[in-house]
Amino acid sequence: NAGVTQTPKFQVLKTGQSMTLQCAQDMNHNSMYWYRQDPGMGLRLIYYSASEGTTDKGEVPNGYNVSRLNKREFSLRLESAAPSQTSVYFCASSEVHSVYQPQHFGDGTRLSIL
Amino acid sequence: DQQVKQNSPSLSVQEGRISILNCDYTNSMFDYFLWYKKYPAEGPTFLISISSIKDKNEDGRFTVFLNKSAKHLSLHIVPSQPGDSAVYFCAGYSGAGSYQLTFGKGTKLSVIP
Repeated sequence: NAGVTQTPKFQVLKTGQSMTLQCAQDMNHNSMYWYRQDPGMGLRLIYYSASEGTTDKGEVPNGYNVSRLNKREFSLRLESAAPSQTSVYFCASSEVHSVYQPQHFGDGTRLSIL
Repeated sequence: DQQVKQNSPSLSVQEGRISILNCDYTNSMFDYFLWYKKYPAEGPTFLISISSIKDKNEDGRFTVFLNKSAKHLSLHIVPSQPGDSAVYFCAGYSGAGSYQLTFGKGTKLSVIP
């Protein structure tokens, strides 16, 4: 049972390059999320998709775009990468967008921007 | 402004003893709290949760206590095992329409055999 799968696991970019982080879940969950975790910090929500066809901004959306491609897949795009976006990115999913539904996380994408 | 604070970056406990991880919050709108556990190079995994209408929730070796008047919650692990060594994140939901989780910075627990 794969759960939430993120690709790639590691990536190094140059400032100004673009990149799309991929996320797929096989749990038939309706809601999906993108977080970033900086060193010594908690996770911060970038964007989320409460259901297929909807996306909303989280706490730190600037510099990112998202696409809910279908129920399984939710991608995060950096159009012009900046060193401040160096972080570990986590994708998560939950059955529904509810406080009572725990989120299931992927193993993360470690992104370095030089 | 840090709304969820985990003031102890690390904690070491002997195997078999109790581990107590603390979390304070400032947002009085938080009405649901969760603890996540994270091993290196893995994503966080859900551990236990508590609603603001309760003051205690138990699941096996894990118990979470909530003191609303003090805006404080704690996670107790009894007995602690080496496999419990991980980073523990406290998170709160404000419930203010958006249902977004706010995470603390985490506490790294080391259980010494």
